Amino acid sequence: DAKTTQPNSMESNEEEPVHLPCNHSTISGTDYIHWYRQLPSQGPEYVIHGLTSNVNNRMASLAIAEDRKSSTLILHRATLRDAAVYYCILRDPGTSGSRLTFGEGTQLTVNP
Amino acid sequence: DGGITQSPKYLFRKEGQNVTLSCEQNLNHDAMYWYRQDPGQGLRLIYYSQIVNDFQKGDIAEGYSVSREKKESFPLTVTSAQKNPTAFYLCASSIEGGGYTEAFFGQGTRLTVV
Repeated sequence: DAKTTQPNSMESNEEEPVHLPCNHSTISGTDYIHWYRQLPSQGPEYVIHGLTSNVNNRMASLAIAEDRKSSTLILHRATLRDAAVYYCILRDPGTSGSRLTFGEGTQLTVNP
Repeated sequence: DGGITQSPKYLFRKEGQNVTLSCEQNLNHDAMYWYRQDPGQGLRLIYYSQIVNDFQKGDIAEGYSVSREKKESFPLTVTSAQKNPTAFYLCASSIEGGGYTEAFFGQGTRLTVV
């Protein structure tokens, strides 16, 4: 499975934008880039995903590098409720897509 | 409401006993997953199933067993062979076959073995 690399932790101030990076230099042409986040003592929740083009939804934006070897999750205005562990994972629509493998993620701290 | 339900939320067992964790989904998803999470760590895949009556080992399957007799249910048994069973266990489901599909997670079961 292609792997992702994320910083262990990041810090932000409330109401400021947050850019969470993810490196995936061994990404294959068919891998989708997914982001999930996990609040303390809860199951992860889906945030956003993309393949090649940048994506926006009500929660966040996903910016994907032209060579697809890195991506950035953008929270436009961080709130205290955005403090969580953010996971960047790759999903292949082929057989390996069923594995859904997580890494260690980035712990985001939001300061009031 | 559609979703994925894990029960119980907290579970205590004596060392040497087998224990079964429940996971039920009404999303009509083919794929289901079990993960283990230790404090301050990421999720590690235990078992996953793409279809009824079929499942595959994940990265840390030793000491665990599963069954998939019904599409909506994927129970996990933590056996006495699991050396360090105390952990947070998470179940998930997704539509099978699509790298573009999202996974839905339950709220987890916190197992403590004493």
